[in-house]
Amino acid sequence: AQTVTQSQPEMSVQEAETVTLSCTYDTSENNYYLFWYKQPPSRQMILVIRQEAYKQQNATENRFSVNFQKAAKSFSLKISDSQLGDTAMYFCAFMRAYSGAGSYQLTFGKGTKLSVIP
Amino acid sequence: DTEVTQTPKHLVMGMTNKKSLKCEQHMGHRAMYWYKQKAKKPPELMFVYSYEKLSINESVPSRFSPECPNSSLLNLHLHALQPEDSALYLCASSHPSRGDTQYFGPGTRLTVL
Repeated sequence: AQTVTQSQPEMSVQEAETVTLSCTYDTSENNYYLFWYKQPPSRQMILVIRQEAYKQQNATENRFSVNFQKAAKSFSLKISDSQLGDTAMYFCAFMRAYSGAGSYQLTFGKGTKLSVIP
Repeated sequence: DTEVTQTPKHLVMGMTNKKSLKCEQHMGHRAMYWYKQKAKKPPELMFVYSYEKLSINESVPSRFSPECPNSSLLNLHLHALQPEDSALYLCASSHPSRGDTQYFGPGTRLTVL
């Protein structure tokens, strides 16, 4: 079974500063996918960024980037130039990759509540 | 377009009521999911439909009954719920290829009195 650990229940950052959210995972799989989702107080779960384990290059999406360390099973999220709208709960998630029809299960971490301070 | 819609946004029901939650997507996704989320917790998977067939039921009580009438629509029928079933119910969809991203709807906030 896979597990995802987010060791920082809460964090805060000043507006325009940079913050890094930590995520570690445990799996015996070699092929998998990792995600960061954000859930603002409006409660909709929004995809922030996705990483394929077979890709060595770290994924980036505008102000969001990841540091993916496969050997260390670490997948941290860096938010640059933090904005008030980044205030949200951030969930790290793991998905196995396997062949076959249908659906794929996400394993979520417990989340990190990020507050951006004006 | 990565939109998943859910109705209603809020629902209050008594323990003897029957109600339904609705989820819709028009992205051509063939996998759809129901999650339950309690406050300050991550979502918990309830059901997965793949090509309109139920492929995963995570030991959910029978008072929750999913239905997938077509590839764009997913319902969750509720009957004889308990107060502890009060939660945010999230729908998601994905294209069932390898590791495809799940896109979530805004959720239905359910309160059981």
